[in-house]
Amino acid sequence: GEDVEQSLFLSVREGDSSVINCTYTDSSSTYLYWYKQEPGAGLQLLTYIFSNMDMKQDQRLTVLLNKKDKHLSLRIADTQTGDSAIYFCAEERDDKIIFGKGTRLHILP
Amino acid sequence: DTGVSQDPRHKITKRGQNVTFRCDPISEHNRLYWYRQTLGQGPEFLTYFQNEAQLEKSRLLSDRFSAERPKGSFSTLEIQRTEQGDSAMYLCASSFSGTGVAYEQYFGPGTRLTVT
Repeated sequence: GEDVEQSLFLSVREGDSSVINCTYTDSSSTYLYWYKQEPGAGLQLLTYIFSNMDMKQDQRLTVLLNKKDKHLSLRIADTQTGDSAIYFCAEERDDKIIFGKGTRLHILP
Repeated sequence: DTGVSQDPRHKITKRGQNVTFRCDPISEHNRLYWYRQTLGQGPEFLTYFQNEAQLEKSRLLSDRFSAERPKGSFSTLEIQRTEQGDSAMYLCASSFSGTGVAYEQYFGPGTRLTVT
């Protein structure tokens, strides 16, 4: 997963927006993903974006894609305690998914 | 549909023993994937099947590892002569590959292997 880079930790106050950033390497990736992993739980597909899109919004989640810079971000609006988890950025490559190391999101009261 | 299921959820074994894990994918999914996740890392691809055919194996999959999907439904992952370095969470995922269908992999809860 080292080809996909993301910061390891992020702390955000409850009610604020969280922005998790990621850079990837394969410009030919068709799909880019955000997965959420809570303690003791499996990976949950949060959202994905096609490489020909710049933005995708789904309720409190906004994904931005900058193909030129190979930069992907996930914005969570009105962050809540239930958003506390590890968020994995991932890219599709040759029919498999390549994951980053994950960003642990910590919610401050 | 109950999603992807894996059995067992936890396995503790002694070094040198063989272990086998099972994955049951979402019923209409024709693709099945195995990943391994160690502490502090993202999941790493091991192998995948389309129906019963094993299409790709990662270099991470040493010859002690073997995976099967005999009838194109459930899959098993066997590790022979386990080593302490095999301790990890083994994740299974499934997806449907077809024209015009979005490429989404759904993951099971994983099998946590501890080799003592």
